[in-house]
Amino acid sequence: DTGVSQDPRHKITKRGQNVTFRCDPISEHNRLYWYRQTLGQGPEFLTYFQNEAQLEKSRLLSDRFSAERPKGSFSTLEIQRTEQGDSAMYLCASSLVGHSRLNTEAFFGQGTRLTVV
Amino acid sequence: AQTVTQSQPEMSVQEAETVTLSCTYDTSESDYYLFWYKQPPSRQMILVIRQEAYKQQNATENRFSVNFQKAAKSFSLKISDSQLGDAAMYFCAYRSGKGAQKLVFGQGTRLTINP
Repeated sequence: DTGVSQDPRHKITKRGQNVTFRCDPISEHNRLYWYRQTLGQGPEFLTYFQNEAQLEKSRLLSDRFSAERPKGSFSTLEIQRTEQGDSAMYLCASSLVGHSRLNTEAFFGQGTRLTVV
Repeated sequence: AQTVTQSQPEMSVQEAETVTLSCTYDTSESDYYLFWYKQPPSRQMILVIRQEAYKQQNATENRFSVNFQKAAKSFSLKISDSQLGDAAMYFCAYRSGKGAQKLVFGQGTRLTINP
């Protein structure tokens, strides 16, 4: 399977616990994005990487959230001291951005659904 | 900041009929792209169709076509010959042509296909 994969698909955790999600992008894609989607809403941007560099973080990304993309390959999103408001679907997407107008569209993974109880 | 608005939370259509989903957006940029994404229940989001703002011609992909009205900042999706497999959440999205190129999504429209 050469698509974007996310692990785990579902995570139930107790409030106050730390959780970590993983995203494996399409191998040749240099950009990786994290989005959060709450029930009945469209996804909202959290952060993105160009190769291994994290270039932008949304104000939605509180200091309890941290994301990494070591070596510009897979990425992890960690949430510390989870709160019930963190319950959402966390989506990862990747794309290839070159030096022309012909960028690829973003390809999405199936997401990780987090439930904080 | 750019915003995307989908004013139809739910739509339904009879199988084989045509349905149009509405989307409006707000931006001061001239270089941007617009997309329609489909999200079936418990499945990943997939791209349906994309439109470059600099192109006047409306994009078409098989049964899917758009009506891009740049001056009105309107970007509607028409689905012809609706099929049961078209049932999903549909999201309109905006992407700048530069910078982060992150997607800004609308609230979504849930499309139901009646057999």
